[in-house]
Amino acid sequence: DTAVSQTPKYLVTQMGNDKSIKCEQNLGHDTMYWYKQDSKKFLKIMFSYNNKELIINETVPNRFSPKSPDKAHLNLHINSLELGDSAVYFCASSQLRGGRFYEQYFGPGTRLTVT
Amino acid sequence: DAKTTQPTSMDCAEGRAANLPCNHSTISGNEYVYWYRQIHSQGPQYIIHGLKNNETNEMASLIITEDRKSSTLILPHATLRDTAVYYCIAGKTGNEKLTFGTGTRLTIIP
Repeated sequence: DTAVSQTPKYLVTQMGNDKSIKCEQNLGHDTMYWYKQDSKKFLKIMFSYNNKELIINETVPNRFSPKSPDKAHLNLHINSLELGDSAVYFCASSQLRGGRFYEQYFGPGTRLTVT
Repeated sequence: DAKTTQPTSMDCAEGRAANLPCNHSTISGNEYVYWYRQIHSQGPQYIIHGLKNNETNEMASLIITEDRKSSTLILPHATLRDTAVYYCIAGKTGNEKLTFGTGTRLTIIP
C-alpha cells in the first residue's frame, strides 16, 4: 500500500494553461506539505497544511493555490503556467506528536514540464 | 534553522560501513539533526533524527558529537541500493519546514 501517492506522475502542458496535482496520504497524518525540486535539484518547501489549515506559505507566486478538502488530501492547483514552473513537485505528510513534528513521508513526485 | 555543511560526494565499497559527516556548528539547543536520502528520481526518504544522544534504527546510526556541532550518519553494511543523495538537516523541534541543502552524493561501489 502506498503511503503518500501523487497523480499524475508526469504532466506535460503548455504555457498559460491551468493544471492540478493531487496528493493523498493513508497514514492518518494531520499535516501535509508541497515541495518543489528544480532542475538543479534544490528541494524547497512551498506550503504546509495542518488539519486543513494553511500553516506555511513560502513566498510562492499566488498562481499556486493549495487546497485541502480533508486531512488526507492536499492538492496543488497552478494557474497560468510558466516555463519556470517546470520541476518535480513532491507531496509529503507528517504527524504532530507531543507538540512536535518528526519524520516526513514523501510521495513519488510529479514531474511537470511546461513547454 | 542552522546551516549544515556536507561533502559533495563520497564513495564506499559495498559491504563496508558508510560514514557520512555533517557540520552544523551554529545549531541551537532546541534543533534536531535529521537525515534524509533521495534515491534517483524518488521522493526523499526519512532515515533518522536525534537531538543529543546517539541514535540507531534499522536503517542507520547517528552519532552526534558532545558539543553538537557535527554528526555522522553510519550505514553499517552499505549495499548498492544505498546509492543516493544524503541530506543532513538541522531544524527546530517543531520542524514543520525542512530546509534541504545540496547533500552528499554517496556512491556504493561493487
